[in-house]
Amino acid sequence: EAGVAQSPRYKIIEKRQSVAFWCNPISGHATLYWYQQILGQGPKLLIQFQNNGVVDDSQLPKDRFSAERLKGVDSTLKIQPAKLEDSAVYLCASSVTGGEYEQYFGPGTRLTVT
Amino acid sequence: GENVEQHPSTLSVQEGDSAVIKCTYSDSASNYFPWYKQELGKGPQLIIDIRSNVGEKKDQRIAVTLNKTAKHFSLHITETQPEDSAVYFCAATGGYQKVTFGTGTKLQVIP
Repeated sequence: EAGVAQSPRYKIIEKRQSVAFWCNPISGHATLYWYQQILGQGPKLLIQFQNNGVVDDSQLPKDRFSAERLKGVDSTLKIQPAKLEDSAVYLCASSVTGGEYEQYFGPGTRLTVT
Repeated sequence: GENVEQHPSTLSVQEGDSAVIKCTYSDSASNYFPWYKQELGKGPQLIIDIRSNVGEKKDQRIAVTLNKTAKHFSLHITETQPEDSAVYFCAATGGYQKVTFGTGTKLQVIP
């Protein structure tokens, strides 16, 4: 089966600019996650969707980050305006449903903010 | 919220030796503990998981143990091979299905 797709793979922007990332999960997976992984650290959950509803966005900096999952399939994560500390890899993952199920990760988008 | 600590941050072993990575968690409601392997430039991939009603699970050269009383769990890799070199993350899934990852262990297997 096809894996989790993400685009773009790399993005370089200047601070205060905006950027958007796209994720297409595995077909049929109800739960979609966005993680931020700063170099040398573990993934940090930004937002978790169950179908098109938000389960957890407690660690999403809502003044600058937004995410949506229209129709409960693919999803976009946006940063506006970007800060230097947003430089990281943004990982998308999906699972059959939330909780005790394997998460399948995409390859990630490496964002560099200069 | 949940706090997951992972040790060591780096680990070097000779090929054929065993490697052990340890994690502790804080939320007693956590009930699912996966381990992920991340190779350079790729997303993490599940290698083994354990649920709170099980104390140990083994899959070929990989095993995981869980001590719920002490709130710690460990990954054991035996007969290590160069292709085991990667970053390994533990994670804990607690209340409201929230997943918290550890800080990672960079494993280097020296041929």
